[in-house]
Amino acid sequence: QKEVEQDPGPLSVPEGAIVSLNCTYSNSAFQYFMWYRQYSRKGPELLMYTYSSGNKEDGRFTAQVDKSSKYISLFIRDSQPSDSATYLCALPQGGKLIFGQGTELSVKP
Amino acid sequence: SQTIHQWPATLVQPVGSPLSLECTVEGTSNPNLYWYRQAAGRGLQLLFYSVGIGQISSEVPQNLSASRPQDRQFILSSKKLLLSDSGFYLCAWTLDRGEQYFGPGTRLTVT
Repeated sequence: QKEVEQDPGPLSVPEGAIVSLNCTYSNSAFQYFMWYRQYSRKGPELLMYTYSSGNKEDGRFTAQVDKSSKYISLFIRDSQPSDSATYLCALPQGGKLIFGQGTELSVKP
Repeated sequence: SQTIHQWPATLVQPVGSPLSLECTVEGTSNPNLYWYRQAAGRGLQLLFYSVGIGQISSEVPQNLSASRPQDRQFILSSKKLLLSDSGFYLCAWTLDRGEQYFGPGTRLTVT
């Protein structure tokens, strides 16, 4: 079993839709959780960082952590074509980041 | 503010040729530095990381090596490239062993 599992998609939604991106993890020792956004042919950029269960909101983005289920989510409200990118969850462990495979999202105008 | 640079941005090299990719970080001291490779449509594979000058940890045995000659400089090298070395190479840094910040990447094609 991989330490972090993420559905690679691709996921295609119409503009304005609510998008839900998810990861599951196996090690209950993970304490911090991150989401990165990677545009095509660019380096990943840190989007959200959270270290507790519950929700963290930043504009149209909400990160949700459920430690009891070992499940993390990223919600995008009112999705825009500019949100089209690959989204990667990442969990720090021992000075390194354990990445999910990334979900490719396409938002159609 | 901190910035991270990588060069070259793109590179096309024949099989068997040497490789040198460079990464530099500005605006911080003693960062942890990382090299990743991302194959097309695949996730990020950690290749090397460094916690200080001359300190290199290898994650995957392969045709590549890394060096850190200066505090904010990280170099990825190969003596003889293989076709399988093609990919998108990313350098990243962190200070507190948590969130990492990535450079723009180098796209390498081995022909």
